[in-house]
Amino acid sequence: ETGVTQSPTHLIKTRGQQVTLRCSSQSGHNTVSWYQQALGQGPQFIFQYYREEENGRGNFPPRFSGLQFPNYSSELNVNALELDDSALYLCASTKGVGNTIYFGEGSWLTVV
Amino acid sequence: GIQVEQSPPDLILQEGANSTLRCNFSDSVNNLQWFHQNPWGQLINLFYIPSGTKQNGRLSATTVATERYSLLYISSSQTTDSGVYFCAVGSGGSNYKLTFGKGTLLTVNP
Repeated sequence: ETGVTQSPTHLIKTRGQQVTLRCSSQSGHNTVSWYQQALGQGPQFIFQYYREEENGRGNFPPRFSGLQFPNYSSELNVNALELDDSALYLCASTKGVGNTIYFGEGSWLTVV
Repeated sequence: GIQVEQSPPDLILQEGANSTLRCNFSDSVNNLQWFHQNPWGQLINLFYIPSGTKQNGRLSATTVATERYSLLYISSSQTTDSGVYFCAVGSGGSNYKLTFGKGTLLTVNP
């Protein structure tokens, strides 16, 4: 039990559609990151939010965007879905930087 | 960016055996974590260990930061230890951004 919950757990979308994935972090965890994990690979950093502002981004296009809310919840939005966006999307939270990071169970996204 | 290499890529053990997983990284780090991913995708943090040695039950880890490697030891393995083990590192001002290795797939047979 990591205290990080994600929804939905599985979803199927059509190419070109938009998707919103949600994450609820532990109370007091003011830093949330999102990762994309393709099959057979390690997770790749998408971006991080600290106190509701993006403060770091990986090598992902602008159609990947996010929000963080004061109640320690956050969203990952992906527009204009492509087949290669099919992956496990993981949310992770921590109290500040340089500390233990806790991951949610992930959202499995399939784009057809 | 920083590179992370894990070895071996696959490991098959009999229950009760011991194992050592290795993580090499290409630059100095100030954040290193080991994770276990179960078959359902859940990543569980095992150790936050940018340097030194830690132990938790049958698991222990050692990071030698000056030589840029970390080791994860699993003793008396159990079938529930099966899954993928990831090493992830963060460095410099970007220690929030974890770079993951490709993982070691561990299978423990009864």
